[in-house]
Amino acid sequence: AQKITQTQPGMFVQEKEAVTLDCTYDTSDPSYGLFWYKQPSSGEMIFLIYQGSYDQQNATEGRYSLNFQKARKSANLVISASQLGDSAMYFCAMKIYNQGGKLIFGQGTELSVKP
Amino acid sequence: GAGVSQTPSNKVTEKGKYVELRCDPISGHTALYWYRQSLGQGPEFLIYFQGTGAADDSGLPNDRFFAVRPEGSVSTLKIQRTERGDSAVYLCASSLTSRNTGELFFGEGSRLTVL
Repeated sequence: AQKITQTQPGMFVQEKEAVTLDCTYDTSDPSYGLFWYKQPSSGEMIFLIYQGSYDQQNATEGRYSLNFQKARKSANLVISASQLGDSAMYFCAMKIYNQGGKLIFGQGTELSVKP
Repeated sequence: GAGVSQTPSNKVTEKGKYVELRCDPISGHTALYWYRQSLGQGPEFLIYFQGTGAADDSGLPNDRFFAVRPEGSVSTLKIQRTERGDSAVYLCASSLTSRNTGELFFGEGSRLTVL
């Protein structure tokens, strides 16, 4: 069965420092995509970054990068130069392409950025 | 509007009552998804539509839950004989299709409280 695991319920980081949020996934299907979403206290889910299973290079979007290690089935999110506005819940999610478009989400990590 | 719109934003009902939650996706998006998010958890998949048809309803917890999308745009999630355990935020999302690698765009959710 497909599964996403986020083992860090909560993380703290000092403003302006980098932080890594862990995500491991489980699937036997070779064709899939990995996504990270941010959910601030307002509740809206905000898309951050995407990595396809066949992508050779790690995805980057501004201060966000995805450390994709296929053999280890991990897709960690790295946030560089943390800002106070980065404080939120972060969810890792997976889409299996031959099983339609649904995303399977992990349990989330709550990130708190300290001034 | 430009984004996914969900109504009502908040709904309080009594145990045993019937509830309808509405989702208006981004114009032109053919895929529409319903998720349920309990406090402190990641979104849990319920059902998704490609066009008017339910492509995958494997996440619906029981036959009290039903969703429709009669014209391929607006969708309604219907919950019969509500129970206290149905209390959660119900999130709707849409994407251009279910088969692309693009992200899902989420609404702000409908918070359901069953007393």
